[in-house]
Amino acid sequence: DQQVKQNSPSLSVQEGRISILNCDYTNSMFDYFLWYKKYPAEGPTFLISISSIKDKNEDGRFTVFLNKSAKHLSLHIVPSQPGDSAVYFCAASALNRDDKIIFGKGTRLHILP
Amino acid sequence: EAGVAQSPRYKIIEKRQSVAFWCNPISGHATLYWYQQILGQGPKLLIQFQNNGVVDDSQLPKDRFSAERLKGVDSTLKIQPAKLEDSAVYLCASSLGLGPGELFFGEGSRLTVL
Repeated sequence: DQQVKQNSPSLSVQEGRISILNCDYTNSMFDYFLWYKKYPAEGPTFLISISSIKDKNEDGRFTVFLNKSAKHLSLHIVPSQPGDSAVYFCAASALNRDDKIIFGKGTRLHILP
Repeated sequence: EAGVAQSPRYKIIEKRQSVAFWCNPISGHATLYWYQQILGQGPKLLIQFQNNGVVDDSQLPKDRFSAERLKGVDSTLKIQPAKLEDSAVYLCASSLGLGPGELFFGEGSRLTVL
């Protein structure tokens, strides 16, 4: 039973345009969400997070939007740069129960020149 | 600040053999995690330690996998005997464990079981 779903295995975006990566979750107990970025042969690195008390969090070119009623979050990257080509993992945690972090399968983002 | 260290980076073994992976978390991080990432999948939590105590090992196949974190610092994950489906990258991560926060991952140990 997949609690965190990233339904797009891959996404290609032109350099300079906006990249939008989507994530859905099924567990209504999740109250903290994170995005991780992974380059080949490296471990995932933390990118940005959002608590369920907010609906938007912004950090430079990266913005995460949370829609609790739809159990959906998205990561926006504007403008997209070549170094953004990587696999992006959406993750969620139920902090009011434990801090176990559940990951989605990931979306591979290709930034085209 | 030194990151999470893992070794070995790569290991190839035959099925039914045993293997051990080592992890040294970031200094001061109380919580340590072992994740298994199979090709095309997201990381799956195997075991979570808080200091040297186990917080969650519900997804650890205990008939063949074992893990320990002696003295609340380094950790070792062992697989014995290995199966073909254990081929994966084993990721160690650590965090301060003081509430919501990010995980810091090591580079991973890639296991191939033939």
